[in-house]
Amino acid sequence: DTAVSQTPKYLVTQMGNDKSIKCEQNLGHDTMYWYKQDSKKFLKIMFSYNNKELIINETVPNRFSPKSPDKAHLNLHINSLELGDSAVYFCASSSGGGSWNEQFFGPGTRLTVL
Amino acid sequence: GESVGLHLPTLSVQEGDNSIINCAYSNSASDYFIWYKQESGKGPQFIIDIRSNMDKRQGQRVTVLLNKTVKHLSLQIAATQPGDSAVYFCAESGYGNKLVFGAGTILRVKS
Repeated sequence: DTAVSQTPKYLVTQMGNDKSIKCEQNLGHDTMYWYKQDSKKFLKIMFSYNNKELIINETVPNRFSPKSPDKAHLNLHINSLELGDSAVYFCASSSGGGSWNEQFFGPGTRLTVL
Repeated sequence: GESVGLHLPTLSVQEGDNSIINCAYSNSASDYFIWYKQESGKGPQFIIDIRSNMDKRQGQRVTVLLNKTVKHLSLQIAATQPGDSAVYFCAESGYGNKLVFGAGTILRVKS
């Protein structure tokens, strides 16, 4: 009965490849997020979707494209992977779009680009 | 462990002692603050929050203090236990709909 799940947990790939990370939440929340955590543990928001609509789009290269097929899923597709994309990516969800709503985080996907 | 090589502030406490983790935030317009705990290999987990119209809020074994004058937030953990060992993040809300996270503090509990 995992609340926010991500697949895969680990992803090792070569530079230039395209990869996707999937996220699903079973909390009935209508807002989902993608965060990037770098090697110094700095956690920064990338995207936020509310009811399948993009509401936050930080300064992220357009190689990153989120896709929300329904409000329980928010997938992250990354084209032409670069070394600097290596990080841990966290999905999160909350019951509302405001930042005062508690966010529940997934376990993370550690992406390593070689 | 995962914290090797990280240059985050580190607080080492003896099991049973109280811990105080500090955070300076940047936006004087921020009106909501949260503390998150991140254990090794896991995602951040909500601990406690506080709105800007309060200066103190207590939970189970945790207390958050807010000083808006100096833009300072602290998390106090009473009777620290080995299971409290983790990286702790403060986050502020004052930038529209997004949370901005601080740099993190490593808490190490010695048995």
